[in-house]
Amino acid sequence: DTEVTQTPKHLVMGMTNKKSLKCEQHMGHRAMYWYKQKAKKPPELMFVYSYEKLSINESVPSRFSPECPNSSLLNLHLHALQPEDSALYLCASSQILQGGYEQYFGPGTRLTVT
Amino acid sequence: AQSVTQLDSQVPVFEEAPVELRCNYSSSVSVYLFWYVQYPNQGLQLLLKYLSGSTLVESINGFEAEFNKSQTSFHLRKPSVHISDTAEYFCAVSEDTDKLIFGTGTRLQVFP
Repeated sequence: DTEVTQTPKHLVMGMTNKKSLKCEQHMGHRAMYWYKQKAKKPPELMFVYSYEKLSINESVPSRFSPECPNSSLLNLHLHALQPEDSALYLCASSQILQGGYEQYFGPGTRLTVT
Repeated sequence: AQSVTQLDSQVPVFEEAPVELRCNYSSSVSVYLFWYVQYPNQGLQLLLKYLSGSTLVESINGFEAEFNKSQTSFHLRKPSVHISDTAEYFCAVSEDTDKLIFGTGTRLQVFP
């Protein structure tokens, strides 16, 4: 099984809402990633977890809060977002946190902030 | 610092024609190189990768890429494209650190 799943597929939320994005993998990977992708742009790294510990935070605003409850799950909690946060949010995983190990991407959650 | 340049933002081509998508990188150390493909409304899929060894790497769907260290390039080629190859293609590089650095992407548009 080389699949990364993400839910929901689409999400529309107001600026005062609180919502969560979920990501799951069952490949035994110990590194998991959140990316943000705007239209016609490459993915931008947001967070990296390695062995369930936050390893990288790319200076992401605090209205985005990641969580890694166990080695298979990764959440992204959203609160008080802005319209410019509308984007495709991609989750990825890799065997370990090291260059050369390919990342497997989920299909993404299309987020619209109204 | 690492960087990846994909000079062509769009490449239009007719079906069954050959295509080359260009990728150049800059890095002061050894790198690992990847090509990812993104079909509309989907996530990224790994197309092929260069880690070490043979400089020519191939994918199962007919794409190939050649690592050229002297020219710091990793161009993607296919001798005959299909309509279904229409997608966004991202070149990416990583060093020994974990991060993938992506190029800006090339939109391959295949016309019948």
